[in-house]
Amino acid sequence: GAVVSQHPSWVICKSGTSVKIECRSLDFQATTMFWYRQFPKQSLMLMATSNEGSKATYEQGVEKDKFLINHASLTLSTLTVTSAHPEDSSFYICSAEVAYSNEQYFGPGTRLTVT
Amino acid sequence: QQQVKQSPQSLIVQKGGIPIINCAYENTAFDYFPWYQQFPGKGPALLIAIRPDVSEKKEGRFTISFNKSAKQFSLHIMDSQPGDSATYFCAASGYGQNFVFGPGTRLSVLP
Repeated sequence: GAVVSQHPSWVICKSGTSVKIECRSLDFQATTMFWYRQFPKQSLMLMATSNEGSKATYEQGVEKDKFLINHASLTLSTLTVTSAHPEDSSFYICSAEVAYSNEQYFGPGTRLTVT
Repeated sequence: QQQVKQSPQSLIVQKGGIPIINCAYENTAFDYFPWYQQFPGKGPALLIAIRPDVSEKKEGRFTISFNKSAKQFSLHIMDSQPGDSATYFCAASGYGQNFVFGPGTRLSVLP
């Protein structure tokens, strides 16, 4: 149990385009989902926290107009990188928190490359 | 106060050895301490987790030791195998608080 899927697993896009990444909890309800960014050989950097049905909470330094987060249901959250630039190239990972617990399960990640 | 310190940064052991990774936290409100294993190009996978009401938890070859008074916890991997080579992250969280991750430990188990 506690499986989180992410789609796509990798994406290459041109500078200036937008990319949407989906995160789904497959066998549990997640009232809270998190989006992280990870640079090579570094730890996870929390970008934002999204709660179902409400606006996401962004960490300091993360542009909310650039990284649009929608948490439309208890099993789906999406991250849209708008007007992507090469510096947005990174490994994006979502996680989902099991309702009423601290337990957090991660998706497999999405490798974004902006050319 | 939100920081979680993790050491060592990297670790090399022989097959069958017992690598130990240590973490320390400051926020006494933390009450959930998980360990994650991450292979290159993959998302972190929950390995084992402990809450402060116990001092030790074992799952298979993985053991967490927890010292509440010292605000430290550690991961021990018994009979380590080359397939255990990965990056390990400790984390801490509490009610209403986001996860705080350690910087990670790159473990290499030599055959």
